[in-house]
This record gives sequence, structure tokens and C-alpha cells, in this order.
Amino acid sequence: AQSVTQPDIHITVSEGASLELRCNYSYGATPYLFWYVQSPGQGLQLLLKYFSGDTLVQGIKGFEAEFKRSQSSFNLRKPSVHWSDAAEYFCAVGAAGTASKLTFGTGTRLQVTL
Amino acid sequence: GAVVSQHPSWVICKSGTSVKIECRSLDFQATTMFWYRQFPKQSLMLMATSNEGSKATYEQGVEKDKFLINHASLTLSTLTVTSAHPEDSSFYICSARGQGPHTEAFFGQGTRLTVV
Repeated sequence: AQSVTQPDIHITVSEGASLELRCNYSYGATPYLFWYVQSPGQGLQLLLKYFSGDTLVQGIKGFEAEFKRSQSSFNLRKPSVHWSDAAEYFCAVGAAGTASKLTFGTGTRLQVTL
Repeated sequence: GAVVSQHPSWVICKSGTSVKIECRSLDFQATTMFWYRQFPKQSLMLMATSNEGSKATYEQGVEKDKFLINHASLTLSTLTVTSAHPEDSSFYICSARGQGPHTEAFFGQGTRLTVV
């Protein structure tokens, strides 16, 4: 069965600093991978996704992620964090070769200090 | 992306009553919908998968008689929490996709259920 690990429960960065959120997945074939952001009490907003092709994926709000098959990773990055980026970030993998039935990681809470 | 709407956004109900949550795809036909549950400060856990016109498939450990799912049309799925108890208080989120397993799903905004 597929699984997703987000090793960092909580990360604090200063505004303007760079950010990297880690995500490791377990899946036997080429996965469908996603990053979502969730503000308190809100639903999920898709930041970016990887289905195939270029392993460096650009998303909204200046985020990008790189798919590294050899490391089973799909880390999320942003060169300069804004205070409004403070939220919960979830990495997800499509289950059983589908892009829609998702298995989520436990999430990383991002705090941004001014 | 496509739009999925959930209603209500939040609901408070008394213990022992039932509450229905709707999930609608506004601009596409959703052949499959998914229902997730999220406890405070935890991740989303898939509860069930529903295909239009057929019975829902529940994940292990999810009580199908407790969480009734109906997907009677290509634009609407409902989740009914029956005989709700305080431990059912949670954030429920649906997602919906069109045809084909390689089509991504789009999420609703979620429903906060509080059982008192």
C-alpha cells in the first residue's frame, strides 16, 4: 500500500527566508503526487501536482516541488516566504495508480516570524 | 480548476440526531466522489469512495451504517452522520472527479461538525 511521510511536524522560518518542506512517499510505480495548503478551518487548496514529465513542478504562490524517484521524495520549496504562507501543508499521493483517491501525509505546520 | 461545493460549512447538532452534508460538483459531472475526515491537528483520512448509482466503498474501520453515503446523481453526493455523538465531531471534506482513474479530484471547502 502507498504511504506518505512528512517528517517535520512543525517548521518556523523568518519572513523572507527560504523554505523546504520534506515529503517522502512509498509506492511501487510512478506516483501521482500533490501538495496542498490548508489555512485554519478551511478546505484544501492545491499548490501543485506531479503526474509525469518534467520533475521540477511549478505551482501557485511561488511554490515549486521536485520529484526525485531515486529518493522517493517530492519536497516543496519556496525561495522567499511571506507571512501569509503560514498554514498547514499536506503532501499526498494518488492511491493505486489513480490521481483522485489520495493518501495524505500527516502535515507540516508552517509558522512565519516577522 | 473545477468547482466542488460543500454545504453546510459548519453545523452544530445535538447528540443522537442525524446530520446531512452535501457535496456538489458545480461545473462537471462527478462519476466518483470521496469523503475524508480530519480530526483536529491531524491529517485527512479517507472514509469512503462513492460512484454514481452504486453503493459506496468504505475504508476499513469506517462504520457504513453510521456514515451513510448516497451518490444518486452525477453532481451530488451526501454524507449522513446518523445518531451523532460528540466523538463524531470533526472536519469532513469531500472531493469529486470526472471520468477516468487518472483524472484528479477537486476538493470542497469542508464541513465542520460539532456534536453537543
